[in-house]
Amino acid sequence: DAGVIQSPRHEVTEMGQEVTLRCKPISGHNSLFWYRQTMMRGLELLIYFNNNVPIDDSGMPEDRFSAKMPNASFSTLKIQPSEPRDSAVYFCASSRSLGVYGYTFGSGTRLTVV
Amino acid sequence: GDSVTQMEGPVTLSEEAFLTINCTYTATGYPSLFWYVQYPGEGLQLLLKATKADDKGSNKGFEATYRKETTSFHLEKGSVQVSDSAVYFCALRREGSNYQLIWGAGTKLIIKP
Repeated sequence: DAGVIQSPRHEVTEMGQEVTLRCKPISGHNSLFWYRQTMMRGLELLIYFNNNVPIDDSGMPEDRFSAKMPNASFSTLKIQPSEPRDSAVYFCASSRSLGVYGYTFGSGTRLTVV
Repeated sequence: GDSVTQMEGPVTLSEEAFLTINCTYTATGYPSLFWYVQYPGEGLQLLLKATKADDKGSNKGFEATYRKETTSFHLEKGSVQVSDSAVYFCALRREGSNYQLIWGAGTKLIIKP
């Protein structure tokens, strides 16, 4: 199993540009989570999907952020327009059985907005 | 509300020392408890878990016991190695919750040769 795959690993973009982060969960996992990690705020849950349906997006900071999961093997997190305060490491995680056994995280995307 | 409190880091130890990283929680009912580890430049990895009181989770020489009476889940290892240097996160999953993990702030561990 290749694990949770995220791309790109690093992204540097200019303020105002659109950024798209991608995630491929583990096959057979039916829950997918997007997290943001910063030194100041630690780990923050942005949005959660179950069976490709967004269940809770209350952690999405503002309308500039959107996430989709068109099928069981792919999800995107989009920021438009990006701002310097969006700079962080964004993690995707997936799980089965509603997370009872824990989550599997991807290696993350380090986003820098200049 | 539910919360997880970890000891502040960094924790600096010499190789082969005994490790304890404290974790206490506040939650109603019987949450599941987890320790995750994050190595530099990587995502979080599940280290061990316990789903009911008095359960002991163990993996890679690390252990933690779910203590309901003290609402604690301290991480221990008898002899640490330089390769154990990482950030360790304690987390709880609410009883009956279908997704939400409540995270501690993380404890950075530095092991010196």
